[in-house]
Amino acid sequence: EDQVTQSPEALRLQEGESSSLNCSYTVSGLRGLFWYRQDPGKGPEFLFTLYSAGEEKEKERLKATLTKKESFLHITAPKPEDSATYLCAVHRIDRGSTLGRLYFGRGTQLTVWP
Amino acid sequence: DADVTQTPRNRITKTGKRIMLECSQTKGHDRMYWYRQDPGLGLRLIYYSFDVKDINKGEISDGYSVSRQAQAKFSLSLESAIPNQTALYFCATSDLVVNEQFFGPGTRLTVL
Repeated sequence: EDQVTQSPEALRLQEGESSSLNCSYTVSGLRGLFWYRQDPGKGPEFLFTLYSAGEEKEKERLKATLTKKESFLHITAPKPEDSATYLCAVHRIDRGSTLGRLYFGRGTQLTVWP
Repeated sequence: DADVTQTPRNRITKTGKRIMLECSQTKGHDRMYWYRQDPGLGLRLIYYSFDVKDINKGEISDGYSVSRQAQAKFSLSLESAIPNQTALYFCATSDLVVNEQFFGPGTRLTVL
């Protein structure tokens, strides 16, 4: 059973065409939701952490928001250099453990063409 | 210098060979993780360690083993490599309080 579902799997945008990526999650007792950017052949790069519903964070053309069931990564006026795979992950405490770990979604591959 | 380093960056090996992938970090983090990434499947956790004396299995630990030699070093071994272990392998670290993970550059492993 997937804990984290990202949609769409792939998204093609023209430069300047704003859009949003979705991350829905089913874990209870969310301890944090994380967004990462991954370029081909490289390790994921941390973007944002969100902890509570209603929280928002921004970085350049990216803005992440969180509700009780999902998170959105809004991309405003994207540029070709924003092309990458965007990964969402939730922090969950496993049953029988006092510590938690991240569960990753499969990612959205974003392509921005000039 | 990179905070999280992985060696080797690329490796081609044959079925049945023993392989070790190494990870070192200079971030001073206690927690370290090994993931594999396959096209369409995302990141899957193999093993994780919350300190030098702690090792935990992740979702897909069969066929793998790990060693936490020091706070800064965490190695992943494939005892007898098989072709479906061909993947991109990532090491990551995090501290005790903030759970954001920092990833290494990855090791591309091909098992023929």
